[in-house]
Amino acid sequence: AQSVTQLGSHVSVSEGALVLLRCNYSSSVPPYLFWYVQYPNQGLQLLLKYTSAATLVKGINGFEAEFKKSETSFHLTKPSAHMSDAAEYFCAVRRGAGSYQLTFGKGTKLSVIP
Amino acid sequence: DAGVIQSPRHEVTEMGQEVTLRCKPISGHNSLFWYRQTMMRGLELLIYFNNNVPIDDSGMPEDRFSAKMPNASFSTLKIQPSEPRDSAVYFCASGAQRERETQYFGPGTRLLVL
Repeated sequence: AQSVTQLGSHVSVSEGALVLLRCNYSSSVPPYLFWYVQYPNQGLQLLLKYTSAATLVKGINGFEAEFKKSETSFHLTKPSAHMSDAAEYFCAVRRGAGSYQLTFGKGTKLSVIP
Repeated sequence: DAGVIQSPRHEVTEMGQEVTLRCKPISGHNSLFWYRQTMMRGLELLIYFNNNVPIDDSGMPEDRFSAKMPNASFSTLKIQPSEPRDSAVYFCASGAQRERETQYFGPGTRLLVL
């Protein structure tokens, strides 16, 4: 079964510092991988997705993620954190080839310190 | 373009009462998902519809939960009778055939069962 593991339930960074949120996946089929963001009291919003094209994926709000098959990783990065980036971030993997369904990680809450 | 619409946004009810949550997917989307989010269990998929037909309801907790999708623009999730452990945020998400791997989430319904 496909799964994702997010390392660190809470991450704190200073404003202007690098953001790195870690996600490792397990998949028996070529994975489709996603990062979603959830702001307080809101639904999840798609940040970016990997669907077997370019391994470096650029998303909204300056975020990007790199698919590394050798490391089974799909870490999310942003060069310079902004206060508005404070939110919870979820990594997700498609459940199977051709599947519509996603399996989500437990989430990582990002705090940005002024 | 309107996003996924959910109602009510907040619901407080007493144990034993019937609760009905409503969802209007994005126009033209043919897949619909109901999720439940709690601190303990994270984001769980309850049921998934494709072209108004339930495809996978293995995540529905028990017989007290039921979901319907009478047409392409409306779905309900019903809990009868409700219990305090049903307290959670319930999300509806929809997806398009041409972009089947991407889900668009509604703002959620925050349910509190006393």
